[in-house]
Amino acid sequence: DAGVTQSPTHLIKTRGQQVTLRCSPKSGHDTVSWYQQALGQGPQFIFQYYEEEERQRGNFPDRFSGHQFPNYSSELNVNALLLGDSALYLCASSPRRVEAEAFFGQGTRLTVV
Amino acid sequence: GESVGLHLPTLSVQEGDNSIINCAYSNSASDYFIWYKQESGKGPQFIIDIRSNMDKRQGQRVTVLLNKTVKHLSLQIAATQPGDSAVYFCAEKEKDSWGKLQFGAGTQVVVTP
Repeated sequence: DAGVTQSPTHLIKTRGQQVTLRCSPKSGHDTVSWYQQALGQGPQFIFQYYEEEERQRGNFPDRFSGHQFPNYSSELNVNALLLGDSALYLCASSPRRVEAEAFFGQGTRLTVV
Repeated sequence: GESVGLHLPTLSVQEGDNSIINCAYSNSASDYFIWYKQESGKGPQFIIDIRSNMDKRQGQRVTVLLNKTVKHLSLQIAATQPGDSAVYFCAEKEKDSWGKLQFGAGTQVVVTP
């Protein structure tokens, strides 16, 4: 089992550009959540996808959007990048159970210059 | 959730000693709590979880204690090993808010020989 895989591992973008990050959930998992982790801080919830729809959203602007595909994989899109968007972006997958633990990928390190 | 600056609290532990990592949570509506371990360059790794109707749960070398009265969570690691060196996060989930985890600030654990 490959677990949760994210791509790319590292990415450098320029302010104002757009970026797409990708996530493949763990086998058997149908729910994907995205988190942003700034250096030295805990992950912050961005949003969650289930059945190809956004189900919950954290306190992030509309520049952050996502998508889930029929195979449960997901994309995170960020438009009009700001320097402050530089962070580790984590994808977590879980089956849709109340107390299911979330399995995290290794993250995508985004640097905005 | 809690947010801190760039300097994580650090716990220095001698190899073989027991470690206790503390976490204060803020939401009395949280019904599920998880401890994660994050090594450098990796995503958070599940350690142990506990429901709000429990006070204590034990795993392999780890014990989680929950005190709902003072909204306090702790993780005890027995016989700490060098491989336990990492940042440890507590996370809480609000009741009926499935999948959205609120992370604490994190504690850096350094195991010395």
